[in-house]
Amino acid sequence: KNEVEQSPQNLTAQEGEFITINCSYSVGISALHWLQQHPGGGIVSLFMLSSGKKKHGRLIATINIQEKHSSLHITASHPRDSAVYICAVSGGGADGLTFGKGTHLIIQP
Amino acid sequence: ETGVTQTPRHLVMGMTNKKSLKCEQHLGHNAMYWYKQSAKKPLELMFVYNFKEQTENNSVPSRFSPECPNSSHLFLHLHTLQPEDSALYLCASSQDGAGRETQYFGPGTRLLVL
Repeated sequence: KNEVEQSPQNLTAQEGEFITINCSYSVGISALHWLQQHPGGGIVSLFMLSSGKKKHGRLIATINIQEKHSSLHITASHPRDSAVYICAVSGGGADGLTFGKGTHLIIQP
Repeated sequence: ETGVTQTPRHLVMGMTNKKSLKCEQHLGHNAMYWYKQSAKKPLELMFVYNFKEQTENNSVPSRFSPECPNSSHLFLHLHTLQPEDSALYLCASSQDGAGRETQYFGPGTRLLVL
């Protein structure tokens, strides 16, 4: 079973700062997902990646398959980015996701 | 709005009650999932259905009983639950359950077992 570790668990930063959240996993995967969960519970998928780097607006996700490590970066952070960011991995086949514990991010104005 | 709806959004039930959670997706997907999110714990996979067939049961107690009558609907039947079953229950869907697909989540049902 894959073990997914995220760091940091909690992060408070000032508006405008560059944010990095890290994720590592123990076993080879077919894909890694970054998810965002706002208060109230709803989850939105931000990225799914199996190699390299993806960018969407101010968000960038990278993955290093050899090192079993991924990072999520937020540039020019804003208070509306405050949420829990969750890393999850899929092993391929008709299976669900294995999740990290999440990073609780607060961006202060 | 992700195209996945869940009802009810909140549910309070006693340990002897029977209730059902409903999930519906309007995305034309063929795979649907139930996840559980307890306080202070990571999200956990409960069940996977692919083309209406259950392909994963992640050692879930029998007091949770899933049902998938068609590719658009997924139910979670609850009976004789315990207080520790109080959690947020999330439904998700993806195109074909092949593992390398984006999953779309519903808003969740927040369950309290008294």
